[in-house]
Amino acid sequence: KAGVTQTPRYLIKTRGQQVTLSCSPISGHRSVSWYQQTPGQGLQFLFEYFSETQRNKGNFPGRFSGRQFSNSRSEMNVSTLELGDSALYLCASSPPIADEQFFGPGTRLTVL
Amino acid sequence: DAKTTQPTSMDCAEGRAANLPCNHSTISGNEYVYWYRQIHSQGPQYIIHGLKNNETNEMASLIITEDRKSSTLILPHATLRDTAVYYCIVNSGGSNYKLTFGKGTLLTVNP
Repeated sequence: KAGVTQTPRYLIKTRGQQVTLSCSPISGHRSVSWYQQTPGQGLQFLFEYFSETQRNKGNFPGRFSGRQFSNSRSEMNVSTLELGDSALYLCASSPPIADEQFFGPGTRLTVL
Repeated sequence: DAKTTQPTSMDCAEGRAANLPCNHSTISGNEYVYWYRQIHSQGPQYIIHGLKNNETNEMASLIITEDRKSSTLILPHATLRDTAVYYCIVNSGGSNYKLTFGKGTLLTVNP
């Protein structure tokens, strides 16, 4: 079974721009979560989607948003990029009635 | 804030057991202890989780103290590929997929 895939793997943007990251969960998984990882703050939860609805949300500003499609694929968007948004963005999916999350390889975003 | 305390780093000799401790003194009755690891530049990988009983799977064993205030992850025969940051996480489980990661323990397995 294919794992969680994230595209693109690497991205370079400049301050003020916006960016959209994509995540394809493992087939059959309906929950998709997003995390941000930086050297200073570590791994932080952004939000979780289940059946196209945001079910959980972390403490990030409104510039960070996401959505989920009917096929469970998810996108996250960051608007008005700041230097501090440079990070590894990780997506994880979970099967129904399960406790573990399966993480993708991440998208490395660099904001210049 | 993370509800767990772990040592910043540990070393282990290849082939020996690696015992990674975790303190979670404020754990609630309905919260599970999860362990994930992250090998450099990869996404985290689920290892094991438990509520109160000891658990074992093909990757590791999890020993939880009777008062549930601490636990130990055991990798029985560590290999070089087990070098990673290991995260101990307390979570209510079920459909709560909002994991709170702390700093974790960097385990270095030496040849």
